[in-house]
Amino acid sequence: NAGVMQNPRHLVRRRGQEARLRCSPMKGHSHVYWYRQLPEEGLKFMVYLQKENIIDESGMPKERFSAEFPKEGPSILRIQQVVRGDSAAYFCASSPTAGANNEQFFGPGTRLTVL
Amino acid sequence: GDSVTQMEGPVTLSEEAFLTINCTYTATGYPSLFWYVQYPGEGLQLLLKATKADDKGSNKGFEATYRKETTSFHLEKGSVQVSDSAVYFCALFSTGGGNKLTFGTGTQLKVEL
Repeated sequence: NAGVMQNPRHLVRRRGQEARLRCSPMKGHSHVYWYRQLPEEGLKFMVYLQKENIIDESGMPKERFSAEFPKEGPSILRIQQVVRGDSAAYFCASSPTAGANNEQFFGPGTRLTVL
Repeated sequence: GDSVTQMEGPVTLSEEAFLTINCTYTATGYPSLFWYVQYPGEGLQLLLKATKADDKGSNKGFEATYRKETTSFHLEKGSVQVSDSAVYFCALFSTGGGNKLTFGTGTQLKVEL
């Protein structure tokens, strides 16, 4: 049973370009979470999605960031017009259901560098 | 809001030394508490968890006890190995905080021969 997959593992973009980060949850998991880890900081929650629905986006910046989890295919975190401050590691996690007793399994992360 | 505070690193120890990484929290309701470990270049792995007061989580020689009176969840290991070198994150999940984990800033552990 493959774990949570993320790609690309490393992504370099110039200021103003778009970044697309992909996350394939574990088989059977319908809940996906995105977290961001800025340099020297802990992980910060960004968004929680179930299939085709955004449940909680309280951690998402109001502009330039969007997320989706379509019926078919991976979850996508999209950052438009990237700036240097977007440079970070972005982690995706998945769980089979919601709640504290359902462990969130993390992917290896995508490390975004904005030049 | 929810928050987690853990000791800053890096923590450098000799092999077989005793490890303590402190973690305290602030949360609404009755949170579940977790320790995650991140090895270089990898994602986070759940190390152990405790879901109610006085519970002790344990795994791979690591232990942590949920202390409600001191709002703490300190990570301990009696004898560390070089292979334990990693970054350790304390985290909580509270029913009042939405369906998300709140993490501390992480503590890097370096174990030397």
